[in-house]
Amino acid sequence: EDQVTQSPEALRLQEGESSSLNCSYTVSGLRGLFWYRQDPGKGPEFLFTLYSAGEEKEKERLKATLTKKESFLHITAPKPEDSATYLCAVRGIQGAQKLVFGQGTRLTINP
Amino acid sequence: DSGVTQTPKHLITATGQRVTLRCSPRSGDLSVYWYQQSLDQGLQFLIQYYNGEERAKGNILERFSAQQFPDLHSELNLSSLELGDSALYFCASSVSGTRQETQYFGPGTRLLVL
Repeated sequence: EDQVTQSPEALRLQEGESSSLNCSYTVSGLRGLFWYRQDPGKGPEFLFTLYSAGEEKEKERLKATLTKKESFLHITAPKPEDSATYLCAVRGIQGAQKLVFGQGTRLTINP
Repeated sequence: DSGVTQTPKHLITATGQRVTLRCSPRSGDLSVYWYQQSLDQGLQFLIQYYNGEERAKGNILERFSAQQFPDLHSELNLSSLELGDSALYFCASSVSGTRQETQYFGPGTRLLVL
């Protein structure tokens, strides 16, 4: 069964203090690893899709990387508006079209 | 704004009742997915429809059912509601439902069962 574990559960940073969020996964035949951002009471907002080990994608202060066992979401010089829960999800070859989500990392950026 | 719309935003009902949640996918998307998000379970896949036909089932209870109509909007029906059904219900859509595609999520319906 496909599984996703995210760490840490919660992270509090000062504005400008860079850090990384981790997403460890086990999946039979990765068909995509997805990062979403979710604000309280809102729907997940798509950030990145990674398909193969070594792939990297960037958007503003965020950079996602992928290895065969885990993905990192690097946040450089974060701002208070980056505060949100970051969700990682995988789609495997045996899981039909469903996404399997981790529990998320709740990120708080203090001004 | 993802382009996926869901109604209603909030729903408060009593145990034993039945409710219907509605979702309109992004323009051009043929595939619709339903997910449930609760505090202890996280986001869980329920069911997928593609162009009117059920394509995949996840952890969906027998009390729950869904359908996708010819205009591609989808409805999730929840019956004999229990307290534990209280959760956020999200709809997502993608173009054709292949494994490589990104799913775009709607704003969700918050269901509270009293």
